[in-house]
Amino acid sequence: AQKITQTQPGMFVQEKEAVTLDCTYDTSDPSYGLFWYKQPSSGEMIFLIYQGSYDQQNATEGRYSLNFQKARKSANLVISASQLGDSAMYFCAFSRMNTGFQKLVFGTGTRLLVSP
Amino acid sequence: DVKVTQSSRYLVKRTGEKVFLECVQDMDHENMFWYRQDPGLGLRLIYFSYDVKMKEKGDIPEGYSVSREKKERFSLILESASTNQTSMYLCASSFDGSMNTEAFFGQGTRLTVV
Repeated sequence: AQKITQTQPGMFVQEKEAVTLDCTYDTSDPSYGLFWYKQPSSGEMIFLIYQGSYDQQNATEGRYSLNFQKARKSANLVISASQLGDSAMYFCAFSRMNTGFQKLVFGTGTRLLVSP
Repeated sequence: DVKVTQSSRYLVKRTGEKVFLECVQDMDHENMFWYRQDPGLGLRLIYFSYDVKMKEKGDIPEGYSVSREKKERFSLILESASTNQTSMYLCASSFDGSMNTEAFFGQGTRLTVV
């Protein structure tokens, strides 16, 4: 079974600084996808960024980028120029096609706190 | 905009009760998922469905069942609620056929079993 590991229960960063949230995964599948979601205190899950296993370049979406190192099986989220509104839980998720349909498996999450 | 709606934001039920959590999506998604979220454990997949009347067990299906009679609706059933099922329950949906489509989530149901 696939396993997603987020080793940082909590991270602190000062406003305007960059922060990296770690995510490693364990799979023998050659084809898979990796997602990052944000969950503010209000509870809704917000999709941030996606990286496919065959994508040649690291994914970027505004201030979010994904540092994808396939050989190390890591997919770290980098948030540049942190803002107070970035304070939230962040979840890494692994996706594979399970006999034709998608299955999403999540890590345990990292709580990010951005201070002024 | 995609909308995934869960019928209740908060629920309090008694031990032994049969509990229904309802989820409706309005974007004609094939896949639907039920997760439970607990502190320190992240989101764990209970069941998922990739078509009407089709279901697959996730990682923690014990004590739960599901029903998908219509494409837009996916119900999670606790046959006999127990206190260890006190948790946040999240429903999600996504398009079929590709692993790069993101899942859209409902607002969550916080269930307390007393």
